[in-house]
Amino acid sequence: KAGVTQTPRYLIKTRGQQVTLSCSPISGHRSVSWYQQTPGQGLQFLFEYFSETQRNKGNFPGRFSGRQFSNSRSEMNVSTLELGDSALYLCASSSGVGNEQFFGPGTRLTVL
Amino acid sequence: DAKTTQPTSMDCAEGRAANLPCNHSTISGNEYVYWYRQIHSQGPQYIIHGLKNNETNEMASLIITEDRKSSTLILPHATLRDTAVYYCIVRVENDKIIFGKGTRLHILP
Repeated sequence: KAGVTQTPRYLIKTRGQQVTLSCSPISGHRSVSWYQQTPGQGLQFLFEYFSETQRNKGNFPGRFSGRQFSNSRSEMNVSTLELGDSALYLCASSSGVGNEQFFGPGTRLTVL
Repeated sequence: DAKTTQPTSMDCAEGRAANLPCNHSTISGNEYVYWYRQIHSQGPQYIIHGLKNNETNEMASLIITEDRKSSTLILPHATLRDTAVYYCIVRVENDKIIFGKGTRLHILP
């Protein structure tokens, strides 16, 4: 079974721009979660989707948004990028809410 | 905030058992204990989880105290590839995962 895939793997943007990151979960998995990892804050939960519905949300500003499609693929969008948004963005999928999560390799976003 | 307390770092000799402690004194009855690890530059990897009984799989063993206020992850024969940050997490089944700072485990050759 293929693992969780994330695209792109690396991205460089400038302040004020917006970015969309993509995540394809493991086949059959219906839950997708997103995390931000920075050296200072560690791994922080962004949001979780299950069957196209947002189930949980972390403490991030409204500039961070996401969605899930009927095929369980998910995207997250960050608008009006700030320097502090530079981070590794990780996606994880699971067969159901609460089950063990399988993480992708992440997208490393650099904001200049 | 994370509901667990873990040592910042630990060393273990290669081939020996690595015992990683975790305190979760405020755990509630329906919260599970999960362990993940993150090897440098990779996404976190699920290791094991349990509710009240000890658990074992091909990667590790999880020992939970009777009062469930603490637990220990045991890697029976540590190798250099086990060098990673290990996260202990408590959560109810349908809740989000809150990662703490974790324990940085160094396996010494």
